Amino acid sequence: NAGVTQTPKFQVLKTGQSMTLQCAQDMNHEYMSWYRQDPGMGLRLIHYSVGAGITDQGEVPNGYNVSRSTTEDFPLRLLSAAPSQTSVYFCASSQHTVGSQPQHFGDGTRLSIL
Amino acid sequence: GENVEQHPSTLSVQEGDSAVIKCTYSDSASNYFPWYKQELGKRPQLIIDIRSNVGEKKDQRIAVTLNKTAKHFSLHITETQPEDSAVYFCAARGSQGNLIFGKGTKLSVKP
Repeated sequence: NAGVTQTPKFQVLKTGQSMTLQCAQDMNHEYMSWYRQDPGMGLRLIHYSVGAGITDQGEVPNGYNVSRSTTEDFPLRLLSAAPSQTSVYFCASSQHTVGSQPQHFGDGTRLSIL
Repeated sequence: GENVEQHPSTLSVQEGDSAVIKCTYSDSASNYFPWYKQELGKRPQLIIDIRSNVGEKKDQRIAVTLNKTAKHFSLHITETQPEDSAVYFCAARGSQGNLIFGKGTKLSVKP
């Protein structure tokens, strides 16, 4: 049981490049989410999903896309990377919508945009 | 909008002393309040959570209290140890069922 797995752990991109951050969970959790963590800003929600085929925007969705074709996977796409997207990205999951079950976090992806 | 305020942003205590971190939330409908501990370079890990139907919960040296009327909740760590040094985040459930996080408290426990 691996929990929440994120890949890659580190990535450096040039401005304008696109890429996909992968997130997979093996706990059959319905709810998955993506956060970015910047110094002094805590964790801010980018996008979330309450189940396969359903996604919605969080607090800071601009510049990011998500999809949820399976229960297990919730990839985050950067369409055209910008230096302001340099951050640490965390994926999290919980059995149901937050409120009844705790969220489990992955190890994070450190992303630098040059 | 919905937000969670967390204080202090940094806290330094001597080993063996108690540490208290306080949070306030804006959405009176929030009913779930977790606390996460994040060590340097690691993932946030849940250390304790409380639901709105209780006022206090304890787990060994850690306790959380909730005052729904005042929309306050606090984390109490007793008999602090150097390994308690980390960044602590409070959070509250938002109206869309998501977690809204405070900006964190960096706790340093000096031996």
